[in-house]
Amino acid sequence: AQSVTQLDSQVPVFEEAPVELRCNYSSSVSVYLFWYVQYPNQGLQLLLKYLSGSTLVKGINGFEAEFNKSQTSFHLRKPSVHISDTAEYFCAVRSAGTASKLTFGTGTRLQVTL
Amino acid sequence: EPEVTQTPSHQVTQMGQEVILRCVPISNHLYFYWYRQILGQKVEFLVSFYNNEISEKSEIFDDQFSVERPDGSNFTLKIRSTKLEDSAMYFCASRNTTSSYEQYFGPGTRLTVT
Repeated sequence: AQSVTQLDSQVPVFEEAPVELRCNYSSSVSVYLFWYVQYPNQGLQLLLKYLSGSTLVKGINGFEAEFNKSQTSFHLRKPSVHISDTAEYFCAVRSAGTASKLTFGTGTRLQVTL
Repeated sequence: EPEVTQTPSHQVTQMGQEVILRCVPISNHLYFYWYRQILGQKVEFLVSFYNNEISEKSEIFDDQFSVERPDGSNFTLKIRSTKLEDSAMYFCASRNTTSSYEQYFGPGTRLTVT
């Protein structure tokens, strides 16, 4: 079985400050990792994904994440946030086998203020 | 850009009633999914569907739930006899091929059971 832990339920940050949203996973097999963003009253939009290769992946809206196998982490970062980044962020994992379901974390609410 | 659509956006129903949630996946996608998110909780996998049959389902997806692809465009989730605990946001998602790991999510249907 696989699971995802997002330790921070809320992260307040000032505009133009850097931010890191933490994600740890557990799985007995190789995994693919994803970050999704959910803006108010909208669906889930893919920010970025790690499938294989370079452990640093870049996504949309200036976000990036680093896969760390030894620490089973996939933290999301942005060097300078904007008010429009205020949203709920979900980390998700999928096993590399035939099952294709996504297992989500509980989400982190990023609140950007002036 | 093609997107997954869901109707209705909000459904209110009485306990014991049947509801059908509708989704139109992206047209050339082959894999379809339903997830749900109870208020304040994580997004949970319900079921995946491929080649006109269920490929995987979770423990949540009991006999009260069913899915169908009645025509070439719609993908529906039916709950036969709703319970209060079925109140949640229900997300539909679709994916293209076996080599594509990204699931595209719809905006969700908020189901309220009274």
